[in-house]
Amino acid sequence: NAGVTQTPKFQVLKTGQSMTLQCAQDMNHEYMSWYRQDPGMGLRLIHYSVGAGITDQGEVPNGYNVSRSTTEDFPLRLLSAAPSQTSVYFCASSFLAGDNEQFFGPGTRLTVL
Amino acid sequence: GQQVMQIPQYQHVQEGEDFTTYCNSSTTLSNIQWYKQRPGGHPVFLIQLVKSGEVKKQKRLTFQFGEAKKNSSLHITATQTTDVGTYFCAGDGGNKLVFGAGTILRVKS
Repeated sequence: NAGVTQTPKFQVLKTGQSMTLQCAQDMNHEYMSWYRQDPGMGLRLIHYSVGAGITDQGEVPNGYNVSRSTTEDFPLRLLSAAPSQTSVYFCASSFLAGDNEQFFGPGTRLTVL
Repeated sequence: GQQVMQIPQYQHVQEGEDFTTYCNSSTTLSNIQWYKQRPGGHPVFLIQLVKSGEVKKQKRLTFQFGEAKKNSSLHITATQTTDVGTYFCAGDGGNKLVFGAGTILRVKS
């Protein structure tokens, strides 16, 4: 099993550009989520999904869209990148609910100029 | 909304000294989890506590869940350089986890 994979590992964008961060898991987990990590602020939940076709907002959803068309994939779209979205982004998955053990991907380091 | 506070934010210890990080929730939790993130890495699950007053040990790590299920602690005995990293607690917030800000541990050898 590859676990949770994320691409790309690094990305530099200009303000206003859009892009999609990819996340995939091969553990047949129902629950997937996206976090951003900023210094001193821990991990903040952006969006999450309890299963294919179902998504919901987390703590900091503005400026981000998600979709869950399959159990395996949960892409995160930045609609119009802003410098405030410079961060490290982690995708995570768990077997069922959000309060189960989370398996994290390796992260994507995003810089918006 | 639910908040999870974690202290201290940062601790620098001499190798062999003990280390403790504390976690407090604004609401009663059904469970609490602890994660470790090595520098440059991703968070890795350490343990989940469910019962009031629960104490669990993993080698030199001791985890406690408060009687009221609103606070928790992680204690490391005789720190080693391999313990460096950021330790996060995470409380259940309905169908999602709410993470504390983390405690950064540095160990001087």
